[in-house]
Amino acid sequence: SYVLTQPPSVSVAPGQTARITCGGNNIGSKSVHWYQQKPGQAPVLVVYDHSDRPSGIPERFSGSNSGNTATLTISRVEAGDEADYYCQLWAGSSDLNYVFGTGTKVTVL
Amino acid sequence: QLQLQESGPGLVKPSETLSLTCAVSGDSISSTTYYWGWIRQPPGKGLEWIGTIYYSGSTYYKPSLKSRVTISVDTSKNQFSLKLSSVTAADTAVYYCARHASIVGATDDAFDIWGQGTMVTVSS
Repeated sequence: SYVLTQPPSVSVAPGQTARITCGGNNIGSKSVHWYQQKPGQAPVLVVYDHSDRPSGIPERFSGSNSGNTATLTISRVEAGDEADYYCQLWAGSSDLNYVFGTGTKVTVL
Repeated sequence: QLQLQESGPGLVKPSETLSLTCAVSGDSISSTTYYWGWIRQPPGKGLEWIGTIYYSGSTYYKPSLKSRVTISVDTSKNQFSLKLSSVTAADTAVYYCARHASIVGATDDAFDIWGQGTMVTVSS
């Protein structure tokens, strides 16, 4: 079955840029979504279909996807961005499965 | 606006069946645009998709859970439900219901609206 691999943790200073990667076989051919989850809360969709943002999500959140890696970029990081982030995709018609990445804890220093 | 609310027992005994319901308010579950899903998260761990249903009753299940999972929809009550049989301690998790923003497999089929989640513990 399809596997999505994320780094366990990323640390970033306020005002800097955080990049969270999501690795998967030929992930560039798939539509990738990203979620933010703060402690004790339900996940929130922050980027869908590689790089689109839902209404209300700041432009500081952006996404890209190519080859075997998708990336969520958080620009001008704020303390409120500290959270767990998950990538997710539909694995396809041959593997009828929605897959989540392993998750990345973003710590704002 | 659309809201989802999970409900069901917080404690289930091993080998029994876990049953949860997701009540949808603010929109019709019979909308032809959306699918509806269940996701769970064991304590301290990541997210795991369980399954998805369309208002017509067509379903998709995580292959490794398929033998134990049943998801159904009740359009008259505007809700959908999850049953997970033969539970063990490994099924202890927060269970979320969520809406897919589009049809399964579409480029924008993300989970855009989530319930608050409900904790289910499997223990005797």
